[in-house]
Amino acid sequence: KQEVTQIPAALSVPEGENLVLNCSFTDSAIYNLQWFRQDPGKGLTSLLLIQSSQREQTSGRLNASLDKSSGRSTLYIAASQPGDSATYLCAVRGYSTLTFGKGTMLLVSP
Amino acid sequence: GAVVSQHPSRVICKSGTSVKIECRSLDFQATTMFWYRQFPKQSLMLMATSNEGSKATYEQGVEKDKFLINHASLTLSTLTVTSAHPEDSSFYICSARGGRDTIYFGEGSWLTVV
Repeated sequence: KQEVTQIPAALSVPEGENLVLNCSFTDSAIYNLQWFRQDPGKGLTSLLLIQSSQREQTSGRLNASLDKSSGRSTLYIAASQPGDSATYLCAVRGYSTLTFGKGTMLLVSP
Repeated sequence: GAVVSQHPSRVICKSGTSVKIECRSLDFQATTMFWYRQFPKQSLMLMATSNEGSKATYEQGVEKDKFLINHASLTLSTLTVTSAHPEDSSFYICSARGGRDTIYFGEGSWLTVV
């Protein structure tokens, strides 16, 4: 059974810092990995999708990498802003399942 | 981009009553939709996978008679929580599989059973 772990569980940084969120998974037989953002009381917003054959994806200040063999993905956020404050979830897609981590709660202070 | 609409966003119901949550894919057809539940400070947990025109596949531990899922068309799936109890109070989110296997999520529905 796939298990997804996100470290750290919570992170507080001052505005402007670059930061890295980590996601690890136990079963490397995946189709893709997706990073989401969840604001309090809201649904999920898809940030980046990395197919199993890809190594990284970039969107604006976000960069996500995937190392399938080691079961790891990182989400890099450059020049963080208070508006980036949210919970970030990674989800690993297997054959018929989508397994989420518990998320990293990010707080960026002005 | 692809949009999934979920309704209602918030609902309060009395214990023992039933409540229906709708999930619609607005600009694409979704043969597969997923229903998740999220308790406070916990990750999303898959409840069931809904396939258009067939019975939903429930995850272990999810009562199919309590959480009725209907996927009658390529753009609509519904989750009905029957005989709701306070412990059913949770955040319910649906998602739909779109093009290139991307998963699109609805905004979620906050259910409070009093």
